[in-house]
Amino acid sequence: DFQMTQSPSSLSASVGDRVTITCRASQGINNHLAWYQQRPGKVPKLLIYAASTLQSGVPSRFSGSGSGTDFTLTINNLQPEDVSTYFCQNYNGAPLTFGGGTKVEIK
Amino acid sequence: DVQLLESGEGLVQPGGSLRLSCAASGFIFSSYTMGWVRQAPGKGLEWVSDINPSGGTTYYADSVKGRFTISRDNSKSTLYLQMNSLRAEDTAVYYCAKAGGASWYHYWGQGTLVTVSS
Repeated sequence: DFQMTQSPSSLSASVGDRVTITCRASQGINNHLAWYQQRPGKVPKLLIYAASTLQSGVPSRFSGSGSGTDFTLTINNLQPEDVSTYFCQNYNGAPLTFGGGTKVEIK
Repeated sequence: DVQLLESGEGLVQPGGSLRLSCAASGFIFSSYTMGWVRQAPGKGLEWVSDINPSGGTTYYADSVKGRFTISRDNSKSTLYLQMNSLRAEDTAVYYCAKAGGASWYHYWGQGTLVTVSS
């Protein structure tokens, strides 16, 4: 079965830190990878699509990279408002699998 | 502005049925793939189903295949999810979502809660 493995499942970092979240696909998905942010109690929000394209209105401290099976979401200069759970999503073809999520907290 | 408004929230017994609706506005509904994503309480996101702009092609997660049916009425700018043979593990908030160029979702509804319990 196709899987998206996201790591870590949670992390704690200080304001101003750089944070890296990874997502690995069980088979190649080209660059058909999106990242979402879900603040507590809120609706998911698209951050990045096509692995590295920043959605309009998303702060430039967010960036994505990768292709094939290995992808990374980087948050530079972590801000208090970035406290959220982040999810990756494969859209290379059904099933459009989400990763398990990474909960980001502030130390 | 793009708006997606889900309805159909409810409590249903195991084995029962429920239909969700998602009324869309602010964009040309008939031009976009639409999908449903769910989130069980305290859990992550789970993709449920997608439908192409014409409604002629649909996709389902294995967990709902054969029980759920996605459909759309482009004349009413409305997306549907018919859910049959519901199970306790179908309990979740169900989000309606609009796809961008491909099946990444750039607009989400507020979600509607489905609870399956006796």
